[in-house]
Amino acid sequence: DAKTTQPNSMESNEEEPVHLPCNHSTISGTDYIHWYRQLPSQGPEYVIHGLTSNVNNRMASLAIAEDRKSSTLILHRATLRDAAVYYCILRADNQGGKLIFGQGTELSVKP
Amino acid sequence: SAVISQKPSRDICQRGTSLTIQCQVDSQVTMMFWYRQQPGQSLTLIATANQGSEATYESGFVIDKFPISRPNLTFSTLTVSNMSPEDSSIYLCSVTGMGNTEAFFGQGTRLTVV
Repeated sequence: DAKTTQPNSMESNEEEPVHLPCNHSTISGTDYIHWYRQLPSQGPEYVIHGLTSNVNNRMASLAIAEDRKSSTLILHRATLRDAAVYYCILRADNQGGKLIFGQGTELSVKP
Repeated sequence: SAVISQKPSRDICQRGTSLTIQCQVDSQVTMMFWYRQQPGQSLTLIATANQGSEATYESGFVIDKFPISRPNLTFSTLTVSNMSPEDSSIYLCSVTGMGNTEAFFGQGTRLTVV
């Protein structure tokens, strides 16, 4: 399974943008980049995913490097409710759809 | 989207006993998975629950310890057998569809073994 590297923790101020980095230098051509987050005492929830092009949805944006060896999850305006552990995961269709979680980045948001 | 119901939400069990956790999904899904999350840790995949056949286990997990059933496309069970305190964890069910779609997770079952 292709691995990802994320910082253990990050801090942000409320209402400011947050850029969460992820390195995946061993990514293969068929790996999708998925982001999930886990709020305290809850199961993980989907945030966003992409293959090559940058992606936007109501929760966040995903910026993917041209060589696909890194990506950045962007929260445009952090709120206190965004405090969570964020997981960057590579998912391959030939792996039966399973997600292999790394350690993730624990994001804290200061008022 | 898919809504997942897991039962029980939490339990305290005696060592040496077994607990069966149920996962019910509100729609037919292709893939179902079971994860374990030990205290303060990330999620670890236990197995893929296959409809009508034996589950596919990840390295370090075996059927005798974690038997899994999946009789149809919306329901699965995970049993934690012959429990020890080291089995104290949160157990989560996850589902996804075909193709590179998003996955959905249940709220988890918090198990404490005493």
